[in-house]
Amino acid sequence: NAGVMQNPRHLVRRRGQEARLRCSPMKGHSHVYWYRQLPEEGLKFMVYLQKENIIDESGMPKERFSAEFPKEGPSILRIQQVVRGDSAAYFCASSLVGLAGVLHTQYFGPGTRLTVL
Amino acid sequence: RKEVEQDPGPFNVPEGATVAFNCTYSNSASQSFFWYRQDCRKEPKLLMSVYSSGNEDGRFTAQLNRASQYISLLIRDSKLSDSATYLCVVNPPGNTPLVFGKGTRLSVIA
Repeated sequence: NAGVMQNPRHLVRRRGQEARLRCSPMKGHSHVYWYRQLPEEGLKFMVYLQKENIIDESGMPKERFSAEFPKEGPSILRIQQVVRGDSAAYFCASSLVGLAGVLHTQYFGPGTRLTVL
Repeated sequence: RKEVEQDPGPFNVPEGATVAFNCTYSNSASQSFFWYRQDCRKEPKLLMSVYSSGNEDGRFTAQLNRASQYISLLIRDSKLSDSATYLCVVNPPGNTPLVFGKGTRLSVIA
């Protein structure tokens, strides 16, 4: 039973380019969460999605960032017109059922390390 | 007050030592609690959930004090392989995301 998969593992972009990060949740999981981690910093929640729905995007910058989780295929985190400050590790996690105030474990993928030159 | 606060460390301890990490959380209505472990440049991995009655898993013991809004993790007989950052994680009430502390770094030295 494969775990959470993310690709690419490393991504290098020049300022102004677009970055697309992909996340395939664990089999049977329909809830996906994206986090950003800056060097020497903690994990920061960005967005929480179910299939075809964004449940909570309170942690995601209003501009340049978007996320989707289509009915078929992986979840995508898209960063347009990247800037140096976007350089970070982006982790995806999935869970079996949504948070909804109930104890549910999140399993993390290996992360995508984005470097903006 | 930050939602989840941890002493950043680092804690440098010799092999075989006992070490304890503390964590406080601000939302008294928080419902569930976890400790995750994160190795350098790796993803966080669930170490253990924290139950009100306290729970133990081998050398690891987690405790929760709801009145003080305080969570602890005790590691006995430290191993070199325990070296990592330990993240305190809290699930606030309602359909809201998990909140991660910044982590406490542990280095176990031979």
